[in-house]
Amino acid sequence: DSGVTQTPKHLITATGQRVTLRCSPRSGDLSVYWYQQSLDQGLQFLIQYYNGEERAKGNILERFSAQQFPDLHSELNLSSLELGDSALYFCASSVGAGAANTGELFFGEGSRLTVL
Amino acid sequence: AQKITQTQPGMFVQEKEAVTLDCTYDTSDQSYGLFWYKQPSSGEMIFLIYQGSYDEQNATEGRYSLNFQKARKSANLVISASQLGDSAMYFCAMREFSGSARQLTFGSGTQLTVLP
Repeated sequence: DSGVTQTPKHLITATGQRVTLRCSPRSGDLSVYWYQQSLDQGLQFLIQYYNGEERAKGNILERFSAQQFPDLHSELNLSSLELGDSALYFCASSVGAGAANTGELFFGEGSRLTVL
Repeated sequence: AQKITQTQPGMFVQEKEAVTLDCTYDTSDQSYGLFWYKQPSSGEMIFLIYQGSYDEQNATEGRYSLNFQKARKSANLVISASQLGDSAMYFCAMREFSGSARQLTFGSGTQLTVLP
């Protein structure tokens, strides 16, 4: 158990719909990262938050948005869903975001999204 | 350009034998970290081993060791005495320490199958 909690574990929805994925980082971790894993794209970095502020942005679509709340949990919102958005969405956390942080990311078990 | 390259989509190894999974990387940073993660069929991402660019010794964690060749920009994972439970997808990843972002960039992965 990594200590990172993601809900829901599985989600099936229809094209055009909107879903919210939730992540609770490990206790004490300030950074949250979102990754998308699809069969044809591998593990793609979407976005990073550190202590409530956006720190880095990767290949995140405009239809997707995220935020990190004061209690450090994070949500990833996916809207106007398309078939190609079907993927495993991972949240990961780490202690900090500065130069001293050389440690690994701790991953949740992922949220598997299926868009029909 | 690909920052992390894993050229072996699939590998087979006999139980109890050693296996090397290849990883090459591309960066102009002097300070970076290299990681290996294991993803079993259940989907979770499990951290295995870390190597910092300034570490002079190759990292080892139990049956896992990292063969770090800085001049060749390679960070191969060696698994000794393979076990059936080692069958999984293995990802190499890199974190660059310039700038404030701390996300990991992942390779495309190698599917390892351990044969009885």
